[in-house]
Amino acid sequence: AQKVTQAQTEISVVEKEDVTLDCVYETRDTTYYLFWYKQPPSGELVFLIRRNSFDEQNEISGRYSWNFQKSTSSFNFTITASQVVDSAVYFCALSEARNYGGSQGNLIFGKGTKLSVKP
Amino acid sequence: DVKVTQSSRYLVKRTGEKVFLECVQDMDHENMFWYRQDPGLGLRLIYFSYDVKMKEKGDIPEGYSVSREKKERFSLILESASTNQTSMYLCASSKNRQGANSGANVLTFGAGSRLTVL
Repeated sequence: AQKVTQAQTEISVVEKEDVTLDCVYETRDTTYYLFWYKQPPSGELVFLIRRNSFDEQNEISGRYSWNFQKSTSSFNFTITASQVVDSAVYFCALSEARNYGGSQGNLIFGKGTKLSVKP
Repeated sequence: DVKVTQSSRYLVKRTGEKVFLECVQDMDHENMFWYRQDPGLGLRLIYFSYDVKMKEKGDIPEGYSVSREKKERFSLILESASTNQTSMYLCASSKNRQGANSGANVLTFGAGSRLTVL
């Protein structure tokens, strides 16, 4: 069965600290996609990144980086030198490519990690 | 630059009322979704639609129905609101991809509608 676990419910850091948000997933498929979304206090989820299961190359985008490891079924997200504007709820999500019971392509979300960055 | 618009940001309704939550997208997306978000439970899929007049149940469809008469509009209906439906409701849309690429859909979300049922 598909499942996404974000074990950290809430994290609080001081500005300029580095912080890593953990994401562990379960899937029976060999072809799948992983996502991270950010939900700031305004409420609208914003897409951050998508990886497919065949691409384990880590990615860096400014202060954001993602570490995808199939061996541990993890897709962790690191924010370097955190800022107050990074305060948000972050969701990791999984989508399988194959059609299972009509849910083709639907996202399975983790429960989210609330990050608070204090000045 | 607004892409997915939810008609009401905050609503307060009474138990037993019929409630309509409207969502409109301007990106010509085939797929539209309704999620509810509750503390500690994350996002849960209520209903989704891959085409006009087409609907599919998600994980928690009980107590809800949907309507998609036009491609750009997807409505969530609570026939008789109950207090346990107090929640944040999020609408999303995505472009349709077929076959092995279908899982690559990136969702674009609206700002959410916070519903309180008294």
